Amino acid sequence: GAVVSQHPSRVICKSGTSVKIECRSLDFQATTMFWYRQFPKQSLMLMATSNEGSKATYEQGVEKDKFLINHASLTLSTLTVTSAHPEDSSFYICSVWGRTSGELFFGEGSRLTVL
Amino acid sequence: GDSVTQMEGPVTLSEEAFLTINCTYTATGYPSLFWYVQYPGEGLQLLLKATKADDKGSNKGFEATYRKETTSFHLEKGSVQVSDSAVYFCALINSGGYQKVTFGIGTKLQVIP
Repeated sequence: GAVVSQHPSRVICKSGTSVKIECRSLDFQATTMFWYRQFPKQSLMLMATSNEGSKATYEQGVEKDKFLINHASLTLSTLTVTSAHPEDSSFYICSVWGRTSGELFFGEGSRLTVL
Repeated sequence: GDSVTQMEGPVTLSEEAFLTINCTYTATGYPSLFWYVQYPGEGLQLLLKATKADDKGSNKGFEATYRKETTSFHLEKGSVQVSDSAVYFCALINSGGYQKVTFGIGTKLQVIP
């Protein structure tokens, strides 16, 4: 079964609104989760590292105020795209590192379309 | 910095054909190498991995050998099926740890009956 669950899988919103995407670790507690963005015909780009109980660590070029990350519990991280614009339309994927297995587990992804 | 170069797709094959998806990398140190697969509408799943030179990762009929001398980790399968249609990502994790996974661009494979 799934180890990481994302919700919603698809969301369409109007320009200027905010959208929240949830990422849940189902099988184990995750102090760290990762958020990626996948552009069409491009690879996954790490946006930020979500740390439970503390501020997220953002990669260079990623706007902190634009992409708000909250990691309030050991099983849940949320990504909020604030004041969304059409250029924010993308596929967002979260992942969790499984220490025991030594592999990254990915959510199903969330496709955001901003009209 | 680290980088992964993958052949661009899409790759279209007939069922039971032989598959090769090339992957080469640039990295300092001794990275671990991975192949991930993304089926339509799903997240990425680990397909196979190799953690040191000459290791061979295998799963579901797919194989890839860690070749340090050619800095390659090509994915192969002897006989593809329609259910193998997906996007395949080559990736590496270097000494920076799991925070620094470097992915290739992804290769879309389409297998036709």
